[in-house]
Parts: sequence; C-alpha cells; structure tokens
Amino acid sequence: NAGVTQTPKFQVLKTGQSMTLQCAQDMNHEYMSWYRQDPGMGLRLIHYSVGAGITDQGEVPNGYNVSRSTTEDFPLRLLSAAPSQTSVYFCASSPSGRSYEQYFGPGTRLTVT
Amino acid sequence: GQQLNQSPQSMFIQEGEDVSMNCTSSSIFNTWLWYKQEPGEGPVLLIALYKAGELTSNGRLTAQFGITRKDSFLNISASIPSDVGIYFCAGSIPGTYKYIFGTGTRLKVLA
Repeated sequence: NAGVTQTPKFQVLKTGQSMTLQCAQDMNHEYMSWYRQDPGMGLRLIHYSVGAGITDQGEVPNGYNVSRSTTEDFPLRLLSAAPSQTSVYFCASSPSGRSYEQYFGPGTRLTVT
Repeated sequence: GQQLNQSPQSMFIQEGEDVSMNCTSSSIFNTWLWYKQEPGEGPVLLIALYKAGELTSNGRLTAQFGITRKDSFLNISASIPSDVGIYFCAGSIPGTYKYIFGTGTRLKVLA
C-alpha cells in the first residue's frame, strides 16, 4: 500500500489564482480530512469527509472547497488564493471517523504571493 | 472553541534522559492520539488511547489517557538522537468526527 499520497509537494500561487491540492489513499478508509499547519501552531482542521458524497466543515473552512466522489480521493480546492492561505497542507485518512487513528500524507507546501 | 494546551513548548535534553510531556483541556475527549513529526514530513502516529485510565507503551514510549478524559501524557525513556522532532497530541471530540491538535512539543536531544 502507498498509504496517503499528496500532490504537488510544493506550489507557488499568485493572489487570486485557483488550484486543487490532490489527496488519495489506497487503504479503503471511510474517513478523510484536510488540515493546515502554520508555524508554531498545531494542525487545524479545514474539511473532512466520512464517506463518498459526504463532506463537512472543520475549524477553518473559509476559502476552501472539497468534494468526495470516490472513497480513494479527497481533493481540496482553493478558489481564489490569498496570502493568508500560505501554509503546509496535510491530508489524513482513517478507517472510520470516530475514535480511530488518522494516518497522514507527506504534505503540500503552498506559498501565495 | 475547544483547545488543547500542550507543554512544554520545547525541551533540550541530554541523550539517555527521560522525557515527559502532556496535553490538557477543559473539555473531554473520546480518543487521545500522539504523533511525531520530523522536518518536511507528515505526522506519524505513535500511540492511540481509547479509554480513560488506559496506559499504552510502544517501545520506549508510554502514554496515558487521563482519568478525567481531559488530559494525556507521553513519556519517552532513555532518549536517543533520533527522538528529535515535534510531538503532537490530538483528541477526538465526542459526538463529532473532528479532531483537535495541540501546538506541539519540540524535542532536541544533545548527544
């Protein structure tokens, strides 16, 4: 198993541009989530999904969209990038949403200028 | 919103020393998870705790789920240079599918 994979590893955007961060897992996990990590802070939940077709907001959802059309994939879309979205983004998955261990991908480092 | 207070923020220790760090909150959690993150990598799960009072070990690491469900601690015994990294706690919020992360403890081991 490859586990949780994320692409790209690095990205630079100009303010106002849009892009999609990709996340895929091959463990047949129901639950997937997106976090952002800023310097000196813990990970903050952006959006999560408990299964294909079901998504919900986390702690910091503004400026981000998600969809879950398959069990394997959970892309994160930035509609109009802002400098405040400069961060490292991590995708995670777990067998189930409640009280299960989450496994993280390697991250995408995004810079918005 | 709910917060996890993780302490200490950073630690510099000598190789061979034991390390202790903890997470506390004013809210209860159903699950406590402890992760380690190295530079440029995603967090890696170290230990998962599911019941109040549970004590679980993983090699030189031992973690406990507090009786009140509002805290957890992680101990590392006989530290080695490869223990360097940032350690995060995370708790799952009852009745939700959400997890809250602590701000991390940065550990440096001096050989």
